[in-house]
Amino acid sequence: EVQLVQSGAELKKPGESLKISCKGSGYTFTTYWIGWVRQMPGKGLEWMGIIYPDDSDIRYSPSFQGQVTISADKSIRTAYLQWNSLKASDTAMYYCARRATLGELDYWGQGTLVTVSS
Amino acid sequence: ETVLTQSPGTLSLSPGERATLSCRASQSVSSSLLAWFQQKPGQAPRLLIYGASSRATGIPDRFSGSGSGTDFTLTISRLEPEDFAVYYCQQYGNSPRTFGQGTKLEIK
Repeated sequence: EVQLVQSGAELKKPGESLKISCKGSGYTFTTYWIGWVRQMPGKGLEWMGIIYPDDSDIRYSPSFQGQVTISADKSIRTAYLQWNSLKASDTAMYYCARRATLGELDYWGQGTLVTVSS
Repeated sequence: ETVLTQSPGTLSLSPGERATLSCRASQSVSSSLLAWFQQKPGQAPRLLIYGASSRATGIPDRFSGSGSGTDFTLTISRLEPEDFAVYYCQQYGNSPRTFGQGTKLEIK
C-alpha cells in the first residue's frame, strides 16, 4: 500500500527555522517525484514545487522560489520542506503528494499544520 | 502562468441531483493534463479524475470528467451525501502547475 506520512504539527515563532518531512512507503521512492502544496487557513490549494528523489532535481513554483527549500534523502525515503526564517504568513497546512507516471498527484500525505505566531 | 477559474464558487444541490462543475484555463492546457480533486473538511485532497477524463482508482462511475483546451467539466451524475465537499481542478500540462480556487458543493 502506497503511503506518505508527514511529520507532526509545529508551533513556531517568527524568524525561527523549520524543516518538515514526508516519508514514502509501499513503492519505489526514487522513481516518483514528490510535490508540496500549501493551503492557508480557509483557502485553496497552492503549488509550491516538486523534487525527484533519485537525483534531487527540483522545480519550484515562481511564487515560492527563494522562500522555501525542498530536499530529499533517498536513503531514508523522505522528502523535506524547509524555511530559514518563518513569517506569520507561512501559517498553513502543507501537503506532500506523489506525482504518478502520467503527472497527476495520486497519493497525498495527511498534511502538516505549521503555525507561526509570536 | 496558467490561471484556472472555477465556477460556480458555491453550488447548492440536493442528493440525487446532477452536479456540473466548470474549470476554465487562461491558456490551452497541454495534452489535456487536467485533474480534479475532492477535499472534505480536515482531510487531504483526493484525486478523482486525471487526464481530463480518466477516473482514478476506486472512484465511483458517477464521477466523470470532460473537456479539452481551455474548458473542462466535472460531472457528478447523482449526488450522494458523501459527495458534498470542495472540488479543485489542477492543470499539470503547463509549467508551473496551478490549481483553481475551488467550488464548494453544499447540500440544499
